[in-house]
Amino acid sequence: DIVMTQSPDSLAVSLGERATINCKSSQSVLYNSNNENYLAWYQQKPGQPPKLLMYWASTRESGVPDRFSGSGSGTDFTLTISSLQAEDVAVYYCQQYYSIPSITFGQGTRLEIK
Amino acid sequence: QLQLQESGPGLVKPSETLSLTCTVSGGSISSSSYYWGWIRQPPGKGLEWIGSIHHGGSTYYNPSLKSRLTISVDTSKNQFSLKLSSVTAADTAVYYCAGREGYTYGWYDYWGQGTLVTVSS
Repeated sequence: DIVMTQSPDSLAVSLGERATINCKSSQSVLYNSNNENYLAWYQQKPGQPPKLLMYWASTRESGVPDRFSGSGSGTDFTLTISSLQAEDVAVYYCQQYYSIPSITFGQGTRLEIK
Repeated sequence: QLQLQESGPGLVKPSETLSLTCTVSGGSISSSSYYWGWIRQPPGKGLEWIGSIHHGGSTYYNPSLKSRLTISVDTSKNQFSLKLSSVTAADTAVYYCAGREGYTYGWYDYWGQGTLVTVSS
């Protein structure tokens, strides 16, 4: 299994400031044949299902604000919120789909307002 | 736009079988363009993939659950289902059904609201 490890487990950021969440995979999720990273990001608010934010590591899902961006390749990835808004308080998960149909998620990062 | 809705008992006794159904609207479950899955989340914890199914009946299970798990599709009702046998308290979780449109498995675009299943006598 590909193990996904996120850091930090929790994060407190002031409104308007940058938030950065990291995700590391136990093996590369870069598929050489198409040069794509098989990595997605989700946002989960209390009492709600996860919401897809990003796929192919850096492609924003339709309707996701452009303050959200994804970067990284191989085994190390980052989700950045450029200017934190109150509505961004949530738990964020990375997910690899390199080993499809089996998929694995990171343990989650809780983002709060400082 | 796909919509998914889980249904099933909220309470299951230990050693019994947990059965859930996901009803799909806004698209045909038998379309080759859609891929379906079950994911669960124990209270206060992270997400765990349970298994996946495609319209032709191809199923893929989390190895840690495989011996207890059956996922199936009912095209006549536009539903897919989960059966997990011999449950214990460790199977207490919110169970989500999810779907995606594409040419293979990957991320999930569409999620049900989730249903809490508690395993307790």
